[in-house]
Amino acid sequence: KQEVTQIPAALSVPEGENLVLNCSFTDSAIYNLQWFRQDPGKGLTSLLLIQSSQREQTSGRLNASLDKSSGRSTLYIAASQPGDSATYLCAVVRGTNAGKSTFGDGTTLTVKP
Amino acid sequence: DGGITQSPKYLFRKEGQNVTLSCEQNLNHDAMYWYRQDPGQGLRLIYYSQIVNDFQKGDIAEGYSVSREKKESFPLTVTSAQKNPTAFYLCASRTSGRSDTQYFGPGTRLTVL
Repeated sequence: KQEVTQIPAALSVPEGENLVLNCSFTDSAIYNLQWFRQDPGKGLTSLLLIQSSQREQTSGRLNASLDKSSGRSTLYIAASQPGDSATYLCAVVRGTNAGKSTFGDGTTLTVKP
Repeated sequence: DGGITQSPKYLFRKEGQNVTLSCEQNLNHDAMYWYRQDPGQGLRLIYYSQIVNDFQKGDIAEGYSVSREKKESFPLTVTSAQKNPTAFYLCASRTSGRSDTQYFGPGTRLTVL
């Protein structure tokens, strides 16, 4: 059974700092990994999707990497801003045809002005 | 605007009642999903559907039921058999390809009185 872990559960940084969020998974037989952002009481917004054959994806100040062999992904946020404050979740699509995802519990990020 | 809508945003239920949560998408996606999110936790899959008139149980289907009579609609019924239904419910969709991005609705918060 696939298990996804995100550490730390919460992170507080001053504005302008670069930071890394971690996601680990137990079964390397994945099709892709997706990073989401969730604001309080809201739905999830997709940030980046990495296919199993890819090593990284970039969008603006965000960079996500994937190492299937070690079961790890990282989300790098450059020059953090208060508007980046949110919960960040990673999800892995399982090795089936159903496209079912297993989610981590998320990392809640606070960027202080 | 293309997207996923969920209604109502807030729902209150008395113990012993069945309630139905609505999910509609105009993205022309084949696959739709229902997740449950409890405070401080990630998402857990309740039911999913890859095509009209077909759906499968997810990891926590007990006490829930769904239907998929139209491509655009995937309603979730929370029955009285669900012992702890108070949670945030999220609907999502994606194209039939398992490698595609998953899109989420804004969620419904269900509270049992």
